[in-house]
Amino acid sequence: ELKVEQNPLFLSMQEGKNYTIYCNYSTTSDRLYWYRQDPGKSLESLFVLLSNGAVKQEGRLMASLDTKARLSTLHITAAVHDLSATYFCAVDRDSGYALNFGKGTSLLVTP
Amino acid sequence: GAGVSQTPSNKVTEKGKYVELRCDPISGHTALYWYRQSLGQGPEFLIYFQGTGAADDSGLPNDRFFAVRPEGSVSTLKIQRTERGDSAVYLCASSYPGIDTQYFGPGTRLTVL
Repeated sequence: ELKVEQNPLFLSMQEGKNYTIYCNYSTTSDRLYWYRQDPGKSLESLFVLLSNGAVKQEGRLMASLDTKARLSTLHITAAVHDLSATYFCAVDRDSGYALNFGKGTSLLVTP
Repeated sequence: GAGVSQTPSNKVTEKGKYVELRCDPISGHTALYWYRQSLGQGPEFLIYFQGTGAADDSGLPNDRFFAVRPEGSVSTLKIQRTERGDSAVYLCASSYPGIDTQYFGPGTRLTVL
């Protein structure tokens, strides 16, 4: 059974601080996706990581992928309140292009 | 351009009733996906269409759930004899063939009383 595990599941951090969210998965997939979801809203694509060693950055967020360790990280630099949301990682299902999601990391950035 | 749209945005029904949820993908996207999301959980895969055919329906929980995409564009998710456990947000996503990013619609919140 394909497993996608995120930790932490809940994260409260102060503005200006740095933190990393971890995503472990059990498939041999070399593609990993990060999405953001605001309360009551749908999912917004943040990053698509397509190969081992891939690193992508957008603003205060940086995502990386290590397919050998089956691990992706989402690093937050100098957090601001606008980053408060739930972040999901996902990997391809073994059968094709649909995705298996983790449970999400609920991030709250406080002053 | 227009994103993925879903109707209705909210649906309240009684246990045992039949419901249909509609998804209108981004124009030109041949791949269409249905997921459902329960409170506090990540989206759970239901079914994936490539064109008109269901390429993977292994996520449908039982035979009360069925989905169609007769012309390769709009899709309808059909749930028969609804149960309280079917209450969730049903999300639709679409993508270009060979392009990995899936674009999600706003979802339909289904409540079964």
